[in-house]
Amino acid sequence: AQSVAQPEDQVNVAEGNPLTVKCTYSVSGNPYLFWYVQYPNRGLQFLLKYITGDNLVKGSYGFEAEFNKSQTSFHLKKPSALVSDSALYFCAVSDYGQNFVFGPGTRLSVLP
Amino acid sequence: EPEVTQTPSHQVTQMGQEVILRCVPISNHLYFYWYRQILGQKVEFLVSFYNNEISEKSEIFDDQFSVERPDGSNFTLKIRSTKLEDSAMYFCASSDAGTGDSYEQYFGPGTRLTVT
Repeated sequence: AQSVAQPEDQVNVAEGNPLTVKCTYSVSGNPYLFWYVQYPNRGLQFLLKYITGDNLVKGSYGFEAEFNKSQTSFHLKKPSALVSDSALYFCAVSDYGQNFVFGPGTRLSVLP
Repeated sequence: EPEVTQTPSHQVTQMGQEVILRCVPISNHLYFYWYRQILGQKVEFLVSFYNNEISEKSEIFDDQFSVERPDGSNFTLKIRSTKLEDSAMYFCASSDAGTGDSYEQYFGPGTRLTVT
């Protein structure tokens, strides 16, 4: 069975600084990896995915993530954080794009 | 851009009552899902549905829960006899997994269920 860990409950970063939100996963086959963002009182919004191909994937709002097979990680990154990036971020893994397992979420706070 | 819609946005019900949460998935999607998120906690998978039947369900999805696609557009989650611990945000999602390289699930805005 697949599982996802997000080791940090909370990440604080100053506006303009780079940010990283960490994710590690466990899956028996090839991983399908996703990042979603949840703004207050809103649903989950897709950011980016890794299915196959280049290990560095680019997504919405300037976010990117790097798939690292040896470390079983899929960390979310952004070169320059914005206050509006403050939200709850969920990493998810699925088998063949069906049943998703979400991580516990990381709350990102970007400080002005 | 097509989106998943859910109604109602907020449902308040008394313990023991039946509730039906409604979802309209994206029209050309084939896979449908329900998740729940208890306030401040992680998103939990409930059930997936494909070709008019449940393809997988979690241990949360017990006999009190059922899903249905009554027509070509709606996808519903029914809780027969609600309990206090059913209070959560319920998200519907859909995907066209298996076609092209999409796979991502598109989520609706959620229905907040409050059981009193």
